[in-house]
Amino acid sequence: QVQLVESGGGVVQPGRSLRLSCAGSGFTFSSYGMHWVRQAPGKGLEWVAVTWYDGSNKYYADSVKGRFTISRDNSKNTLYLQMNTLRAEDTAVYFCATDRGRFGDYVDNWGQGALVTVSS
Amino acid sequence: EIVLTQSPATLSLSPGERATLSCRASQSINTNLAWYQQRPGQAPRFLISDASNRATGIPVRFSGSGSGTDFTLTISSLEAEDSAVYYCQHRNNWPWTFGQGTKVEIK
Repeated sequence: QVQLVESGGGVVQPGRSLRLSCAGSGFTFSSYGMHWVRQAPGKGLEWVAVTWYDGSNKYYADSVKGRFTISRDNSKNTLYLQMNTLRAEDTAVYFCATDRGRFGDYVDNWGQGALVTVSS
Repeated sequence: EIVLTQSPATLSLSPGERATLSCRASQSINTNLAWYQQRPGQAPRFLISDASNRATGIPVRFSGSGSGTDFTLTISSLEAEDSAVYYCQHRNNWPWTFGQGTKVEIK
């Protein structure tokens, strides 16, 4: 079955950078779009970014545009989120998730999430 | 960006009762809407696509309806395991957004 395992979370100071990774297995990683969705402590879900199956197109939430970069390495079945100029409001659990299709269909399978805490 | 407003914030019902959750979009999104369930301490679970199509393995007591700006998720007969927060989310254009969630409590 589909398995998504996030890594790279932790505590980071405001203004610094962090890179999250998500290893996918149990499906043909290179055939599906991939998303990042986050959830601040005690709050709701916020869609962050998407990359198409081949990495040819990427879209971002307004709150992270210009600071975060989504990428993928299909040879390693791995999704990334490079987060720069981090702010306290970026503190959240970051979920990696598959798209139901190649080009932005719906988010269907989710990982368990990685906690990122931005604090001095 | 499109704003999705969910109501009510909390719904408290007994087992066997019917739950009706609402999601309103700030502009027409046709039927480009999904619903997700998130139980405490768990990742979200995909329930409904295209406003009314149940995802694989989702029980028939879950149903969705609506188009344009007004959408409804109905749980026909609540079970204890349905205690969760439910989110709507659109895919009409970028950026995608989620509603703020409706918490369903089972008495």
